[in-house]
Amino acid sequence: AQKVTQAQTEISVVEKEDVTLDCVYETRDTTYYLFWYKQPPSGELVFLIRRNSFDEQNEISGRYSWNFQKSTSSFNFTITASQVVDSAVYFCALIYSNTGNQFYFGTGTSLTVIP
Amino acid sequence: DAMVIQNPRYQVTQFGKPVTLSCSQTLNHNVMYWYQQKSSQAPKLLFHYYDKDFNNEADTPDNFQSRRPNTSFCFLDIRSPGLGDAAMYLCATSRGGEPSTDTQYFGPGTRLTVL
Repeated sequence: AQKVTQAQTEISVVEKEDVTLDCVYETRDTTYYLFWYKQPPSGELVFLIRRNSFDEQNEISGRYSWNFQKSTSSFNFTITASQVVDSAVYFCALIYSNTGNQFYFGTGTSLTVIP
Repeated sequence: DAMVIQNPRYQVTQFGKPVTLSCSQTLNHNVMYWYQQKSSQAPKLLFHYYDKDFNNEADTPDNFQSRRPNTSFCFLDIRSPGLGDAAMYLCATSRGGEPSTDTQYFGPGTRLTVL
């Protein structure tokens, strides 16, 4: 069963538009950890953020913001005023507290920002 | 000041010819991971080392082996590559502390082509 669902396979936006990438996860534990990674065309997975299940505070980092909603098991990622350099595949991932380092990745959302 | 280094970035091998991929890290992290990522898919964990302790995923084929001679280096050996093994291979590291604070950092990957 899919533990992390990223329903949007591909998204295209015009530069300077805002875009939200959705992530819905299955909960099995009360304690778990959520992540977002960016994978540009070069291939490297770049860590963006982690959020612990006991910390529902939303976070903003520059043009990036994350909305963690335990009630809907969602951890959505918004890019404000998108730029061409934001074009990449974005992965949402989950670790359960009792499975150590086992990442459950979503299938990724490919974002294209058109100049 | 690269932290997780993978060599080579691109590797071409022949069907059935053993190949070794290399990963090194300057973070002094305890845990090193190998992931396989096929086109348009999420990374899939093959195995990981916690210090010298090897942890194999249940569905990782026997064709894939790993060595970690010291803290800094970890190798992925593919004994008899098949066409289905063509993929991006990602190395990652983490400190290995409490899951609440542990984060995996990825290298740039090695793209393997099997002819």
